[in-house]
Amino acid sequence: RKEVEQDPGPFNVPEGATVAFNCTYSNSASQSFFWYRQDCRKEPKLLMSVYSSGNEDGRFTAQLNRASQYISLLIRDSKLSDSATYLCVVNAPGNAGNMLTFGGGTRLMVKP
Amino acid sequence: DTAVSQTPKYLVTQMGNDKSIKCEQNLGHDTMYWYKQDSKKFLKIMFSYNNKELIINETVPNRFSPKSPDKAHLNLHINSLELGDSAVYFCASSQDGEGWRNTEAFFGQGTRLTVV
Repeated sequence: RKEVEQDPGPFNVPEGATVAFNCTYSNSASQSFFWYRQDCRKEPKLLMSVYSSGNEDGRFTAQLNRASQYISLLIRDSKLSDSATYLCVVNAPGNAGNMLTFGGGTRLMVKP
Repeated sequence: DTAVSQTPKYLVTQMGNDKSIKCEQNLGHDTMYWYKQDSKKFLKIMFSYNNKELIINETVPNRFSPKSPDKAHLNLHINSLELGDSAVYFCASSQDGEGWRNTEAFFGQGTRLTVV
C-alpha cells in the first residue's frame, strides 16, 4: 500500500461546479497534512494546510478524518484557473524521519 | 526575492557524465529536501537533510549524493548518469515544528534533467 494515495483523475468539470478530492494515508502517527497545487511544468505550491477541525479558505474547504485516515479537499464554484494537479501531502515520522510524503496527485480540468 | 532557488533550470547531458544541481534557500529553514518527479508526475522524496542528520530514501541509488556546505545550501551530485535519471528534480525546504509537526515545504522551480 502506498503511503499516500489519491485518485489520479482527471476530473473534468464545468465552470461553477463543486468538486471533491479524497486522499488516504497509511501512517497513523502522521501529524501534518497539506494540500498543494501544481501547475503544468511548475513547482508545487502550498494551497492550504489541513487542520483537525477542518478549515476553509474562500472556495476551498479541507477536512481531516483521523479515524479513517483520509483527507478531503472541496472546491466550490470552480474557475478555469483552478485547473491543475492537486497533491495531498502528509508527514511521515518514524522509519523515514520526519519527511513530507506526497500523493500522486489528482488532476483537475475545469472547462468553460 | 526567490525563497528557494535551484540551478540550472534545464540540464541536458550524456550518459555516463557526472553533474551537479545547486540549491539555495534564504528562508532560514532547518531542513532541505530533494525530490524527483518522473514522467508519471509522481513526486518521490530522495533526501532529507538538516544540520543534524541526513536521511536517505533507501531506493535512491548511491550514484546520487547530497552535499551541504552550509545550512542554506543542499546540492545534488549525480555520478554516471543513466537514461532513467531523466526527470524533474525539485529542491525544497521547511522549518521543523514541535514534535513531528512540519511547516509547509517551499519548492524551487525545478531542474529538468535530460540524459541522452
